[in-house]
Amino acid sequence: DTGVSQDPRHKITKRGQNVTFRCDPISEHNRLYWYRQTLGQGPEFLTYFQNEAQLEKSRLLSDRFSAERPKGSFSTLEIQRTEQGDSAMYLCASSLSSGNTIYFGEGSWLTVV
Amino acid sequence: GENVEQHPSTLSVQEGDSAVIKCTYSDSASNYFPWYKQELGKGPQLIIDIRSNVGEKKDQRIAVTLNKTAKHFSLHITETQPEDSAVYFCAASTPSGGSYIPTFGRGTSLIVHP
Repeated sequence: DTGVSQDPRHKITKRGQNVTFRCDPISEHNRLYWYRQTLGQGPEFLTYFQNEAQLEKSRLLSDRFSAERPKGSFSTLEIQRTEQGDSAMYLCASSLSSGNTIYFGEGSWLTVV
Repeated sequence: GENVEQHPSTLSVQEGDSAVIKCTYSDSASNYFPWYKQELGKGPQLIIDIRSNVGEKKDQRIAVTLNKTAKHFSLHITETQPEDSAVYFCAASTPSGGSYIPTFGRGTSLIVHP
């Protein structure tokens, strides 16, 4: 399978704990995006990278959230001091720099209890 | 920023009927409009897209239309089948620093009854 891969698929954590999600994009794609999706809503943009550079961040990305893509390949999204409101599906997507279309992974479900 | 409105939120049809989902967008700079299908517990999958220099595009039972003047676009599914049941999202992409970051609608839950 050469699609976008996300890990873990499901995570249950206690409020206040830190969590980290990993995304492996489609191999030739140099753009990588993180979105958040809550029940009954469409995906909401969080941030995106071109290679290792983080080029844009949404206002939704509070200072408890940090995303990295150190070598321009896989990316991690860390949430510190989780809150119940962080419960959502975190979607990663990737695209070619020359293309408009972004391709999503299967998502990582986060439940904060 | 871009704002995308999508209607209806729920659509229930009989197998074989047609289904139409409508979206409007606010930013006239948006020039790429993808549609995604999301099944329960999975990520959104691209099903069709349209660029601003085209008014209509068709792929088998699925078609999209775009009216740039009115800033609205629609998804048409003909001869619906139970496996078409899913949540469908429209999106509008605005160029931003050389990239296209789609803004999504809130989704339409399509239910096709056998």
